[in-house]
Amino acid sequence: ETGVTQSPTHLIKTRGQQVTLRCSSQSGHNTVSWYQQALGQGPQFIFQYYREEENGRGNFPPRFSGLQFPNYSSELNVNALELDDSALYLCASSFKGANTGELFFGEGSRLTVL
Amino acid sequence: GQNIDQPTEMTATEGAIVQINCTYQTSGFNGLFWYQQHAGEAPTFLSYNVLDGLEEKGRFSSFLSRSKGYSYLLLKELQMKDSASYLCALPGGAGSYQLTFGKGTKLSVIP
Repeated sequence: ETGVTQSPTHLIKTRGQQVTLRCSSQSGHNTVSWYQQALGQGPQFIFQYYREEENGRGNFPPRFSGLQFPNYSSELNVNALELDDSALYLCASSFKGANTGELFFGEGSRLTVL
Repeated sequence: GQNIDQPTEMTATEGAIVQINCTYQTSGFNGLFWYQQHAGEAPTFLSYNVLDGLEEKGRFSSFLSRSKGYSYLLLKELQMKDSASYLCALPGGAGSYQLTFGKGTKLSVIP
């Protein structure tokens, strides 16, 4: 069973640039969520995708956008990067309909905005 | 809305028992999760409680009291590898994968 994989693992951008982060869901999972984790904080929910449509969104501005593809892989795009966007971005997959709603997280993409 | 409170840091000795508390406020309760996150790694699922009481899973147990808005994670026979952050989380709704996480409790296990 393949776990959740994310790329890139680390990247550095400058303020105002755009970034795309990628995630491959765990085999058999049809739902993907993205979280932002600042240093010393718990993860914060950005949004969730199910069947290629956004299915829930946290308190993040529209410059955070995403896609889910037919093979359930996903992208997180952030435009007009700000210094405060520096964080670990976690992708989590799950199977809609599972009893516990357990999330399976990837190792994350650490973004530094200079 | 939802609010979660956890201690920021705890230190315990190898072989001992430690209890990590989590208090929460939520308008609708749909269970409570505990995740473990080692530094620089992905959070991993530990437990999910939806009914009151203690659930034991090996060295780890999780307790829930819905009336008190309170949960704890109990770690027995502490090992050095248990040094990690422990995150308490609430789902946004029934079957929701939108989790609200606490800030996490960083546990340091010392020899």
